[in-house]
Amino acid sequence: TQLLEQSPQFLSIQEGENLTVYCNSSSVFSSLQWYRQEPGEGPVLLVTVVTGGEVKKLKRLTFQFGDARKDSSLHITAAQPGDTGLYLCAGEGSGYSTLTFGKGTMLLVSP
Amino acid sequence: DVKVTQSSRYLVKRTGEKVFLECVQDMDHENMFWYRQDPGLGLRLIYFSYDVKMKEKGDIPEGYSVSREKKERFSLILESASTNQTSMYLCASGRRGYGYTFGSGTRLTVV
Repeated sequence: TQLLEQSPQFLSIQEGENLTVYCNSSSVFSSLQWYRQEPGEGPVLLVTVVTGGEVKKLKRLTFQFGDARKDSSLHITAAQPGDTGLYLCAGEGSGYSTLTFGKGTMLLVSP
Repeated sequence: DVKVTQSSRYLVKRTGEKVFLECVQDMDHENMFWYRQDPGLGLRLIYFSYDVKMKEKGDIPEGYSVSREKKERFSLILESASTNQTSMYLCASGRRGYGYTFGSGTRLTVV
């Protein structure tokens, strides 16, 4: 089983601050995905990155896939209370391998 | 938009009952997954399927089985429900490298 370690597990910040969430593994992934989940709901896909070194931006969110395709980061600029939620990274291996999730980072943004 | 529908949001079942959780997707996706999510343990893969009548065990298949007779429907079966199967169950569908869409989840309580 491929493992993904997310850090930090919990982050509590004030509105307007910047933050970075990390997702690390010793395994190589063919793609890495980031999801956001709100209480009582299923995760919602934010982005998929497939190329080593790739950077994708989604408004105030910037996602980066490591050069070796073993790690990824999510950076949020000027966080807002609406960004509050559980952020999950998930890696997809090669062939018919599965989608493995990290345990998530719970982000709380206070006004 | 892709829609993944789980048959129930909340279920309460008795120990020993056979429980069926249904998941239907409307986008002709090959890959479908069943996860359970528990506090502190994250999303754990129970079973996945990459085609009709194809199924593969995930990390925690014990006590569960699945059925995929049609491409759009992936069913999770708890053969004899136990209290340690009380959890949030999440179904997902999608294509490799493009990310996955999750259903809203079924919160199952076994009493």
